Amino acid sequence: ETGVTQSPTHLIKTRGQQVTLRCSSQSGHNTVSWYQQALGQGPQFIFQYYREEENGRGNFPPRFSGLQFPNYSSELNVNALELDDSALYLCASSSGAGGGKTQYFGPGTRLLVL
Amino acid sequence: QQQVKQSPQSLIVQKGGISIINCAYENTAFDYFPWYQQFPGKGPALLIAIRPDVSEKKEGRFTISFNKSAKQFSLHIMDSQPGDSATYFCAASIMDSSYKLIFGSGTRLLVRP
Repeated sequence: ETGVTQSPTHLIKTRGQQVTLRCSSQSGHNTVSWYQQALGQGPQFIFQYYREEENGRGNFPPRFSGLQFPNYSSELNVNALELDDSALYLCASSSGAGGGKTQYFGPGTRLLVL
Repeated sequence: QQQVKQSPQSLIVQKGGISIINCAYENTAFDYFPWYQQFPGKGPALLIAIRPDVSEKKEGRFTISFNKSAKQFSLHIMDSQPGDSATYFCAASIMDSSYKLIFGSGTRLLVRP
């Protein structure tokens, strides 16, 4: 069984640029959630995709967008990067949506915005 | 209403001691409370979870105690080991209707040999 994988592991961008982060869900999982973890903080929910549809969104602006593909992998896109977007971006997959489903996290992508 | 408050921010325990991390919440609709363990450079991993219909759940050296009336829950790590040194997050969500985990701010645990 393959776990959740994310790419790239690290990324450096400048303010105003756009970035795409990728996530491959664990085998058998059809739901992907994205979280932003600022340094020294707990993860904050960005959005969730279930069967290729956005299934819920946290308090993040529209410049944070995503996609889920038929194989249930997912992308997180961030436009017009700001310095405060510097964080660890975590992807979590689960077998179904809903708050009680165990979410399995990937190692994250660390984004630095200069 | 949506916050989960976690304390302490950091904790140092001697090997063999008991580590205790506390969390409090306000939203009474929360009914699923997992604890996650995160090592440096890794994503959080589910450690143990509880629902409010029980007051305690134990898995090996890890125990969750839950106080519904006080809206508090805690993680106890018995016989703490240096390998337990990590950051621990409590979280909460609403089963069957919600999609997001609300995380606490984390506790950095250091277990000294």
